[in-house]
Amino acid sequence: DTGVSQNPRHKITKRGQNVTFRCDPISEHNRLYWYRQTLGQGPEFLTYFQNEAQLEKSRLLSDRFSAERPKGSFSTLEIQRTEQGDSAMYLCASSWQGNSPLHFGNGTRLTVT
Amino acid sequence: DQQVKQNSPSLSVQEGRISILNCDYTNSMFDYFLWYKKYPAEGPTFLISISSIKDKNEDGRFTVFLNKSAKHLSLHIVPSQPGDSAVYFCAASPSSNTGKLIFGQGTTLQVKP
Repeated sequence: DTGVSQNPRHKITKRGQNVTFRCDPISEHNRLYWYRQTLGQGPEFLTYFQNEAQLEKSRLLSDRFSAERPKGSFSTLEIQRTEQGDSAMYLCASSWQGNSPLHFGNGTRLTVT
Repeated sequence: DQQVKQNSPSLSVQEGRISILNCDYTNSMFDYFLWYKKYPAEGPTFLISISSIKDKNEDGRFTVFLNKSAKHLSLHIVPSQPGDSAVYFCAASPSSNTGKLIFGQGTTLQVKP
């Protein structure tokens, strides 16, 4: 069990640029989640996949955000035309299914200048 | 609308004493509750969980209590150790099978040697 891996750990970008983050879940987990955390708040749910199917998206996920999990393994989260309000920690988590606990990665910290 | 609330931003206790972290929720449909611990620069780590059919779950030094009528849960750490110093998040699941979690804002616990 190598844990959930996220890359990059940090990303600094200028407003208006596109960014893409990658998440590699625990290999036997079929569910993958994206959360966002801002300072002083708990993580907020963005979206989740079961295998390659994206089953739910939060209303927080504007049309500038897109997530994929093409082969049911790793996932990418892309943010187009970044805004300063997108600055946050983006967390990925995986689980086997149902109510088994989520295992989180160490996150990607995005700073939009 | 904050469905899961941790009203104490911080808590300080002496090593060896009990730490009690509290969490309130508003949605009576929540049926699964979890506590996560987070160290700086790391993702949240699962600590302990409880189903709504139980009122207590214990794992070593950690015990979670659930009071459904009051919509309140608490985490007890006995005895507290300096290594327990971290941010603690409670989380609730609004559905029995998605793993989608609603997090509180977190409580920073400091255990003094």
